[in-house]
Amino acid sequence: KAGVTQTPRYLIKTRGQQVTLSCSPISGHRSVSWYQQTPGQGLQFLFEYFSETQRNKGNFPGRFSGRQFSNSRSEMNVSTLELGDSALYLCASSLEVTGNTGELFFGEGSRLTVL
Amino acid sequence: TQLLEQSPQFLSIQEGENLTVYCNSSSVFSSLQWYRQEPGEGPVLLVTVVTGGEVKKLKRLTFQFGDARKDSSLHITAAQPGDTGLYLCAGGNSNYQLIWGAGTKLIIKP
Repeated sequence: KAGVTQTPRYLIKTRGQQVTLSCSPISGHRSVSWYQQTPGQGLQFLFEYFSETQRNKGNFPGRFSGRQFSNSRSEMNVSTLELGDSALYLCASSLEVTGNTGELFFGEGSRLTVL
Repeated sequence: TQLLEQSPQFLSIQEGENLTVYCNSSSVFSSLQWYRQEPGEGPVLLVTVVTGGEVKKLKRLTFQFGDARKDSSLHITAAQPGDTGLYLCAGGNSNYQLIWGAGTKLIIKP
């Protein structure tokens, strides 16, 4: 059974540009969550999508957005990139809405560097 | 704001030694999960604990959830190089969100 696939794995952008990251969940999983991971802050929750609807959202500015398609694949977009957006962006899928005890299956992440 | 503090932030020990890492908060959580993340990979779930005082064992790893459900510990017996990684704890709150600690980076030297 294929795992969570994230593309691209690495990318370099400059300030002011925008970026779109893609996540394909495990087959049959309907929930996709996005996280930002930095050395100092750990994992910060961005948002969770289930059945094409945003179910939960973290404390990030509106420059961060996402969507989920009918096949459960998800994309996240960051507009007007800032240096502080440099991070590893992780996608995680689960069978249902995560809740408190659901197991998250993570992809390998997309490492974004903003110059 | 709910926070989970993990300690130590970094730990480097020799193979065969025992160690304990901690995950503490002033808030009560309904559940506590531990994940391990290896370089270049995403985190992988090790265990979920949901009952105060609960102890779970996974081979050489022992996980404990505090009686008040505000803290948790992970004890590794006879550490091996394969245990090297970033250990993350995540607490489930009443809003059905996971609050993550910043992690403990563990290096086991052969």
